[in-house]
Amino acid sequence: DIQMTQSPSLLSASVGDRVTLNCKASQNIYKNLAWYQQKLGEAPKLLIYNANSLQTGIPSRFSGSGSGTDFTLTISSLQPEDVATYFCQQYYSGYTFGAGTKLELK
Amino acid sequence: QVQLQQSGAELVKPGSSVKISCKASGYTFTSYDMHWIKQQPGNGLEWIGWIYPGNGNTKYNQKFNGKATLTADKSSSTAYMQLSSLTSEDSAVYFCARSQTMGIRVMDAWGQGASVTVSS
Repeated sequence: DIQMTQSPSLLSASVGDRVTLNCKASQNIYKNLAWYQQKLGEAPKLLIYNANSLQTGIPSRFSGSGSGTDFTLTISSLQPEDVATYFCQQYYSGYTFGAGTKLELK
Repeated sequence: QVQLQQSGAELVKPGSSVKISCKASGYTFTSYDMHWIKQQPGNGLEWIGWIYPGNGNTKYNQKFNGKATLTADKSSSTAYMQLSSLTSEDSAVYFCARSQTMGIRVMDAWGQGASVTVSS
């Protein structure tokens, strides 16, 4: 099974900061990587697919990069509404999620 | 717009079974896979399996073989997941989510979640 490791598990940042979240796969998954945002009490929402493709309706301050085993989600200018937990997911072989990065305001 | 409406919270006894529903609207139900995902507090997200309502084909995470059974009713555009032989480890929120059947098979629409609590 492919394992997904996210870092950090908790991230504190200020409004306007550039924020970077990391995700590492236990084996090569090419670009079969998605990012989801989950706000408290809500279902996850798809942000990024194919490692760097922005889902329709998602603000352009969100971007993804990487391929193979190392991936990054970047928020270019953090907004208060971005407080959430972010999960990466591989869909190369079955489906596996990372444990999440909880993003809070400093 | 695409909507997935799940059934309500369940309180069930250990050893029993529970069936959760997910009613789809706003798209062609038989043309997309429906996935089920488990979320326990602090334990992240676990993929349980998917069903293709077009022909009933299913695929399960091996961990949930024998625990979860996925079905779909084309006439009502509703997907179901039955969980059997329930224990406290099955207490969780369960989401349904759709994906394309081929190509980029990510989960682009999710239900609101259904809470299952297993307690005597």
